[in-house]
Amino acid sequence: EDQVTQSPEALRLQEGESSSLNCSYTVSGLRGLFWYRQDPGKGPEFLFTLYSAGEEKEKERLKATLTKKESFLHITAPKPEDSATYLCAVHNSGNEKLTFGTGTRLTIIP
Amino acid sequence: GAGVSQTPSNKVTEKGKYVELRCDPISGHTALYWYRQSLGQGPEFLIYFQGTGAADDSGLPNDRFFAVRPEGSVSTLKIQRTERGDSAVYLCASSLTSGPGQPQHFGDGTRLSIL
Repeated sequence: EDQVTQSPEALRLQEGESSSLNCSYTVSGLRGLFWYRQDPGKGPEFLFTLYSAGEEKEKERLKATLTKKESFLHITAPKPEDSATYLCAVHNSGNEKLTFGTGTRLTIIP
Repeated sequence: GAGVSQTPSNKVTEKGKYVELRCDPISGHTALYWYRQSLGQGPEFLIYFQGTGAADDSGLPNDRFFAVRPEGSVSTLKIQRTERGDSAVYLCASSLTSGPGQPQHFGDGTRLSIL
């Protein structure tokens, strides 16, 4: 059974203080690892797809990386508007569903 | 362009009642998914449609839950004899096609509360 574990559960940073969020996964045949951002009362918003170990993708202050066992979401010089819950999900080779972790709740303090 | 639209945004009903939740996917998207999200948890898969047919309904918790997509676009999730444990946010997502790495785009969900 696919498993996704995210850490930490919550993270508070000062504005401009860089850090990383972790997503550890176990999946039978990875077809894609996804990062989403979710604001309160909203649905998840797609950020990145990573397909294979060694791959990296960037968008503004965010960079996602992938190894065979985990993915990191690096946030550089964050701003208050980056505050949200960040969700990681995996897509395996046997079906079309996404299996999500429980998310990291990120708060950026001005 | 327009994103995934879900109605109603909130639904409050009594235990034992029947509810219908509607999802309008992004135009042209052939794949449609329903998920359920409880407080503090990630979304949990319920059912997946490719076109009009339910290709995978393995996440539906029991036979009180049913979903349809009769014309391959709008989908309705139906819950019979609701229970308090059904309270959650029900999310709908669509993707252009199914297949490796296709991102699923989510609506803002229906918050269902069973009293």
